[in-house]
Formats: sequence, C-alpha cells, structure tokens
Amino acid sequence: AQKVTQAQTEISVVEKEDVTLDCVYETRDTTYYLFWYKQPPSGELVFLIRRNSFDEQNEISGRYSWNFQKSTSSFNFTITASQVVDSAVYFCALGNYGGSQGNLIFGKGTKLSVKP
Amino acid sequence: ETGVTQSPTHLIKTRGQQVTLRCSSQSGHNTVSWYQQALGQGPQFIFQYYREEENGRGNFPPRFSGLQFPNYSSELNVNALELDDSALYLCASSTGQGISGNTIYFGEGSWLTVV
Repeated sequence: AQKVTQAQTEISVVEKEDVTLDCVYETRDTTYYLFWYKQPPSGELVFLIRRNSFDEQNEISGRYSWNFQKSTSSFNFTITASQVVDSAVYFCALGNYGGSQGNLIFGKGTKLSVKP
Repeated sequence: ETGVTQSPTHLIKTRGQQVTLRCSSQSGHNTVSWYQQALGQGPQFIFQYYREEENGRGNFPPRFSGLQFPNYSSELNVNALELDDSALYLCASSTGQGISGNTIYFGEGSWLTVV
C-alpha cells in the first residue's frame, strides 16, 4: 500500500528561525514522484517541488530546501529564516511514475505558524 | 496563478440533496482530477478524467460522478448528500495523463457544507 506520513501536526516558530517539516512515505514501486504543496487559508494548493525517485540530489530554491533520502523513505522540507508569509499548511504527496492515472496520495499536512 | 478556476466558492446544502461543482482549466490541460479534503486532513483522490473519459477512481461511491467537456471545463456531481460529504473539493489539472513530465495545478476549491 502507498502511504505518506507527516508526523508533525502543528509547528510554531518565531520569525527568522529555521524549520524542517518531515515526510515519510511508503511505496512498493521502484520509481515514483514526491511532491510538496503549500496550502494558505484560501484553500488553493500551491506547487512547491516535484522530485522523481531516481534523483536523490538535494535541492535548494531561495529559502527552501529539500532533503530526499531513499534509504529512509524520507523527503524533508526545510525553510530557512522563516517569515510570517510562510504560515500555511504544508502537504507532502506521493505519485505514481508513468501509467495513466495521475492521482496523488497526500499526507495529513503540517500546519506551520510563523510568529513575528 | 494556476489557471484553474472553481465555482462556487462556498455553498450549503441539505442532507439528501444533490450538488454540482464546476472547474475551468487552462487550455490544453486534457487531464482533470477531483479531490476531497475533509477538515484537518489531506486531499483524497476522487477520480480523474482524460479527454472526457474517466480513467481512474479512488475509494468513493458511485454517487460521486463527473463530467469533462471539450472546452477544458469539468463538473463534479454528488447525489444524496451526506453530512460526511462536508469538505473542501479541489480540482486539479495537467496537460498529460500521468504525472511524468506534468505539473499538476490546483484550484482554490469549493467549500461544501451539508446540514
């Protein structure tokens, strides 16, 4: 069975702190995709990153960085020098590689509150 | 700006009624998927349409049905509404069938409350 676990339900930090959101996934597939989405109060899911399973290079985009470790089935997301605008619910998701069905399996999300 | 527009934004229905939610995607986005997100949960896949045909379905009963139209718009219909159907319904679209090579864009969702 495929599953995504985000063990941290809520995290609260003070502005400028670094914060890491954890994501652990389960899949029997050898190739797959992993995603992170941000959901502000408006409800829209904002795409942050997509990573395929055969690319384990870490990625940095501005204050955001992602650490993919296939050996531990984890795809963690770090925000450096957090800002109030980072406050949102963050979802990690798993998707099938190839095939016709493009559905994503989401974790339950981590609510991040960044206080000034 | 994802180019995915959903309507209505909010609505309230009574148990047993039927509801139609609408989604408009970008031109060229042949795939549309619908997700249900209950409060405090992650989105759950309902079904996917590719070129007007359903080609994937999650664990939802047949009273959840959909349509996709040639003009890149789509509908989610839910019959015989139950209280547990109260949720945010998200529409997602992409250019291809699967995930490979495609970014999946989500709309802002329709908040449905069943009373």
